Amino acid sequence: GENVEQHPSTLSVQEGDSAVIKCTYSDSASNYFPWYKQELGKRPQLIIDIRSNVGEKKDQRIAVTLNKTAKHFSLHITETQPEDSAVYFCAASKGYSTLTFGKGTMLLVSP
Amino acid sequence: DTAVSQTPKYLVTQMGNDKSIKCEQNLGHDTMYWYKQDSKKFLKIMFSYNNKELIINETVPNRFSPKSPDKAHLNLHINSLELGDSAVYFCASSQGRGLGQPQHFGDGTRLSIL
Repeated sequence: GENVEQHPSTLSVQEGDSAVIKCTYSDSASNYFPWYKQELGKRPQLIIDIRSNVGEKKDQRIAVTLNKTAKHFSLHITETQPEDSAVYFCAASKGYSTLTFGKGTMLLVSP
Repeated sequence: DTAVSQTPKYLVTQMGNDKSIKCEQNLGHDTMYWYKQDSKKFLKIMFSYNNKELIINETVPNRFSPKSPDKAHLNLHINSLELGDSAVYFCASSQGRGLGQPQHFGDGTRLSIL
């Protein structure tokens, strides 16, 4: 089955800096890659997703890039703010299969 | 309006008891899921139902039994609770099976076994 590796497990940045979280996947047939943000004690919420026919997608301060050849995708957050502090999960799926999640990255943004 | 709602939000019970968690979605989605999130925050799929039919059953002890009376509801019953069952259980739903459909999560049920 699919295996998703996520790095780093924790990431500390200063407010205003950029943050990058990287994920690799094992199944070359995977074609959908969402990112979820989970604040402390809250539910995971979809923040951005990308499909395999697209190399990059941007939504205001967040962007996701996908390299199908290398089987990795990354989340980029620019101009980080304290409210960006949360656990971020990447995931991958193909066809009718369900999502396989990475183990999460705890992002801490210090004022 | 809460799109995916779970009850109860907290559940504290003794080892060996049987308990149920309910989930309802008002998004008109066809597919519903149960996830377990352990203390290390790892999200693991347990079950998936599509139009009331079980489509995914990961390696979960048979003490866990999902039931879907209709496509808007997916309940989870747990028999003979064990200490290792302590976790946050999330229900989720999506439109269609996979095919790149975003999943919408409920607020979670925090289960604590004494």
